Amino acid sequence: GAVVSQHPSRVICKSGTSVKIECRSLDFQATTMFWYRQFPKQSLMLMATSNEGSKATYEQGVEKDKFLINHASLTLSTLTVTSAHPEDSSFYICSARGWETQYFGPGTRLLVL
Amino acid sequence: QKEVEQNSGPLSVPEGAIASLNCTYSDRGSQSFFWYRQYSGKSPELIMSIYSNGDKEDGRFTAQLNKASQYVSLLIRDSQPSDSATYLCAVNDLSGGGADGLTFGKGTHLIIQP
Repeated sequence: GAVVSQHPSRVICKSGTSVKIECRSLDFQATTMFWYRQFPKQSLMLMATSNEGSKATYEQGVEKDKFLINHASLTLSTLTVTSAHPEDSSFYICSARGWETQYFGPGTRLLVL
Repeated sequence: QKEVEQNSGPLSVPEGAIASLNCTYSDRGSQSFFWYRQYSGKSPELIMSIYSNGDKEDGRFTAQLNKASQYVSLLIRDSQPSDSATYLCAVNDLSGGGADGLTFGKGTHLIIQP
């Protein structure tokens, strides 16, 4: 139980384009999902908290207009990186709130050329 | 600003020995504590959770919590080469876990030498 999937697992895009990442809870409903980012040799940094049916809450320093989050259903949250630039290249990981803790998706590796 | 501190390592331990990983946190309001294991290029997987002072054992893993000292540790007995990974300490400030985003330490890189 408590399986979270992400799609795509890896994406390469040109600078200036937008990229959408999907996060799904496969066997449970998640009213709250979280988006993290991890740069090489760094820890996971919380970007935003996504609540079903309401606006996401962004951490300080994270641009809400650049990282668009939609949590339209109890099993799906999406993160769209708009006008991506090379400095946005990172490992993006979502998690879904379970009864005890958060369950992580496998991550999406984004490379912006 | 909540902070979680870990020694980045690498921590090298002979196979079969006990690996001891430590973590301190700054927010006294923290109530839920987790240890995650992360292999290179993969997302974290939950190893242990602990909510109250003392020890909690699960197989070869023992988590220890001391809220007065704001200290959490993870012991791995009979270390195996497959235990080689980065271990992330994470905390949040709501009981029951998961209600708020986790604050992670930078992780300790553990190497088990065959």
